Amino acid sequence: DSGVTQTPKHLITATGQRVTLRCSPRSGDLSVYWYQQSLDQGLQFLIHYYNGEERAKGNILERFSAQQFPDLHSELNLSSLELGDSALYFCASSVDKGGTDTQYFGPGTRLTVL
Amino acid sequence: AQSVTQLGSHVSVSEGALVLLRCNYSSSVPPYLFWYVQYPNQGLQLLLKYTSAATLVKGINGFEAEFKKSETSFHLTKPSAHMSDAAEYFCAVSAGGFQKLVFGTGTRLLVSP
Repeated sequence: DSGVTQTPKHLITATGQRVTLRCSPRSGDLSVYWYQQSLDQGLQFLIHYYNGEERAKGNILERFSAQQFPDLHSELNLSSLELGDSALYFCASSVDKGGTDTQYFGPGTRLTVL
Repeated sequence: AQSVTQLGSHVSVSEGALVLLRCNYSSSVPPYLFWYVQYPNQGLQLLLKYTSAATLVKGINGFEAEFKKSETSFHLTKPSAHMSDAAEYFCAVSAGGFQKLVFGTGTRLLVSP
């Protein structure tokens, strides 16, 4: 158990819908990262928040957005869903924002878009 | 920009045999390198990381990796495979003070009795 929690574990929805994925970082961690894992794209970085502020963006679609709240939990919002958005979405957390910090991954949310 | 290449999408070994999973990186600045393991239906767990200290890095579960700058490699090894090592292994790189991890495509390790 990494100490990072993600809800829900599974999500099944239809095209065009909007969903929210939730992540609670390990106690004391200020950074939260979101990654997408799919068969065709592999593991891809989406976005990084540090202490409530966006620090870096990766291959995140405009239909996707995220935020980190004052209690440091984070939410990833996916809208106008397409079949290709079906994937595993991981959240990771780390203590700080430096390059050597270990990122601890949550168990993931499996999104299926029908 | 940074990138990672993992040679071999699948590697098969017998229990007790040497495990060697290959990773080559590309980075315009000194890299930090990581190996993660993913068991079925689980998240990623850090095995070990290289952060510019010792070039031979020891990790959990008997794994180790050696950073070779001249070969731009960071191969993962374990002297004797165990059935419980069967999983998918990802090499990742971060660099330049940014913590974005760039992952390789993964190598599935199969261990036969």
